[in-house]
Amino acid sequence: QVQLQQSGPGLVKPSQTLSLTCAISGDSVSDNNAAWNWVRQSPSRGLEWLGRTYYKSKWYNEYAVSVKSRVTVNPDTSKNQFSLQLNSVTPGDTAVYYCVRATTGNAFDIWGQGTMVTVSS
Amino acid sequence: DIVMTQSPLSLPVTPGEPASISCRSSQSLLHSNGYNYLNWYLQKPGQSPQLLIYRGSYRASGVPERFSGSVSGTDFTLKISRVEGEDVGAYYCMEALQTPYTFGQGTKLEI
Repeated sequence: QVQLQQSGPGLVKPSQTLSLTCAISGDSVSDNNAAWNWVRQSPSRGLEWLGRTYYKSKWYNEYAVSVKSRVTVNPDTSKNQFSLQLNSVTPGDTAVYYCVRATTGNAFDIWGQGTMVTVSS
Repeated sequence: DIVMTQSPLSLPVTPGEPASISCRSSQSLLHSNGYNYLNWYLQKPGQSPQLLIYRGSYRASGVPERFSGSVSGTDFTLKISRVEGEDVGAYYCMEALQTPYTFGQGTKLEI
């Protein structure tokens, strides 16, 4: 049974970096048939896809244009996990953040438990 | 970006009755492999979203048969044949054809 366990702080100060980690059990971050995504949810933006990393003979990353200059999604094969870093955060980045696995048809079949991140001084 | 438009945004239902949610995409979601890359999710109160339907009409593992998805061009429909109390929550469609993946606004089903 595949599970995703998120960790990271729930409070980040404006202009600082939001960092979250998603530990994978029951699958591998290097799985050629999966992609590892970050999605956030807020009342103002709804569900918003942020970016993904995946391995198909080499590593690929893709990001949403809205955060592209500030976001990094990285795999960590030694710990079988992946991470999200969002720089220069503002209160507008306050949201629940989810890590998600995508498989057949880019279906988001496994979701992490969610992390409520508040950007405030 | 592909725009996903859902209706209605709120759906009061009676247990045992059918329910239907619509989603329209701003462009075709038909992949070269012949599948429509449209997924449906249910977010129950206080929980993470869960996959119901993928590729327009395929039920995800463990999803009850009362849930079905259909496709007509760029119009997608999620149907519940007989609503049960556990179906309460917000339903979202999501295009999965190209990044950035985008979601509909959500439909809140309430009993």
